[in-house]
Amino acid sequence: DGGITQSPKYLFRKEGQNVTLSCEQNLNHDAMYWYRQDPGQGLRLIYYSQIVNDFQKGDIAEGYSVSREKKESFPLTVTSAQKNPTAFYLCASSGQEYGYTFGSGTRLTVV
Amino acid sequence: DAKTTQPTSMDCAEGRAANLPCNHSTISGNEYVYWYRQIHSQGPQYIIHGLKNNETNEMASLIITEDRKSSTLILPHATLRDTAVYYCIVRSLRGATNKLIFGTGTLLAVQP
Repeated sequence: DGGITQSPKYLFRKEGQNVTLSCEQNLNHDAMYWYRQDPGQGLRLIYYSQIVNDFQKGDIAEGYSVSREKKESFPLTVTSAQKNPTAFYLCASSGQEYGYTFGSGTRLTVV
Repeated sequence: DAKTTQPTSMDCAEGRAANLPCNHSTISGNEYVYWYRQIHSQGPQYIIHGLKNNETNEMASLIITEDRKSSTLILPHATLRDTAVYYCIVRSLRGATNKLIFGTGTLLAVQP
C-alpha cells in the first residue's frame, strides 16, 4: 500500500545534540512538508519542498534543517539551535487535488 | 491562503448527525475547502474537499454556501471513533506553495 513512513515513533534527545527524523513516501508525490505540533495546538509549518533539490522555509524554520536529495525522502534535522524542540513532528506529502497524506508522526522529547 | 474560523469544541450524541461549521469569508475564487481530522497522537486524515458544489463521500458530506463564505461538514451518524479534532482549511491548487495552513480546529466529542 502507498503511504508515508515516519521513523522513529518516539525519540529522545539530550540537550545540545542534533537529531534527524526520517520521512519516506511511496506515493510518487512531488511535494513534501514538515509540521510541528505542540500540545493543544494546531500544526505549524517548518519546511516544505515542491521538487527534488529544492525546499523553502515555513513559518518556524529556525533551528531546523532539511534536505531533498530524492523524491521519496525528506529528512528533518532538529539542531541544537532549536531552543524548545520537544514536540510532535508530522511529515506530509501532496499530489494535486486530493490534498495531503500524513505520516503517523514522531514524538521528540529532550531529556 | 485564506484563514478559517471554527468553534473550539462541540458535542454530539452517538448515532446522531454531527454538523461542524467553518467560516472562510475571505476565500478567493480558486481556493478549495478541505476538511481533515486528527485523532489524538496520530497524523491528520483527509476527509473531503470541495470548490463550490456540495460533495459527499463514504465518510462525510460537505455543504458550501452559495457565496462560498462558509461551509459545514456533516458526519451523518457519528460514532465514538469520530471523536477527534476537525480542521477546516482553504487552499489554492495554483500558486507557488500549495501549502496547508492549519488553525486550531474543532474538538468534536461524541458522547455515548
